[in-house]
Amino acid sequence: QVQLVQSGSALKTPGASVKVSCRTSGYTFTSYTINWVRQAPGQGLEWVGWINTNTGNPTYAQGFTGRFVFSLDTSVSTAYLQINSLKAEDTAVYFCARDLYLSVAAPGYWGQGSLVTVSS
Amino acid sequence: DIVMTQSPDSLAVSLGERATINCRSSQSVLYSSNNKNYLGWYQQRPGQPPKLLIYWASTRESGVPDRFSGSGSGTDFTLTISSLQAEDVAVYYCQQYYSTPYTFGQGTKLDIK
Repeated sequence: QVQLVQSGSALKTPGASVKVSCRTSGYTFTSYTINWVRQAPGQGLEWVGWINTNTGNPTYAQGFTGRFVFSLDTSVSTAYLQINSLKAEDTAVYFCARDLYLSVAAPGYWGQGSLVTVSS
Repeated sequence: DIVMTQSPDSLAVSLGERATINCRSSQSVLYSSNNKNYLGWYQQRPGQPPKLLIYWASTRESGVPDRFSGSGSGTDFTLTISSLQAEDVAVYYCQQYYSTPYTFGQGTKLDIK
């Protein structure tokens, strides 16, 4: 079965970096894009962007360019989200999610979420 | 960017009654070449990741109870829960996947009256 398992919670100080991992299994990793979605405490869902796992080409939503970086390690079927120069407002749960089907870009499989807390 | 606006922000419905959530997009998400609306509905319970309920605006995902249904086309969409169950208490989101960024609505919190 399709599974996306994310790394655990992280507590970081402002200005530091964090790398969230999303390890996948149960399907061919390079066949489906991986989306990243942010949810600040008590807030709604915000699409951060997605990465084409076949080409490695990322697409970032406005507001997530520059400090947010998607990457892949196809040898271990894992996607990564790195956030540099962390700010307090980056505190949120970050989800990775896979398209439901090849023909359906709606994220149908989700990781459990990774809480990133930025505090001095 | 396509802006997704849901209404209402919150809703309380009695058990067994109908719940209706609306979603409007700032531009059409209907792709004319295949006549499909690139609109999904998600349920998020506290402490859980979102769960896809409906895609193509009206296609129920496998395993989703048939009390959940989606309708609408173009810019106006509706999620209906025909007979509310206790486990349906959650926040519901619509999302367009017509063009990037794949924007979400602000969410609708559904409670029991």
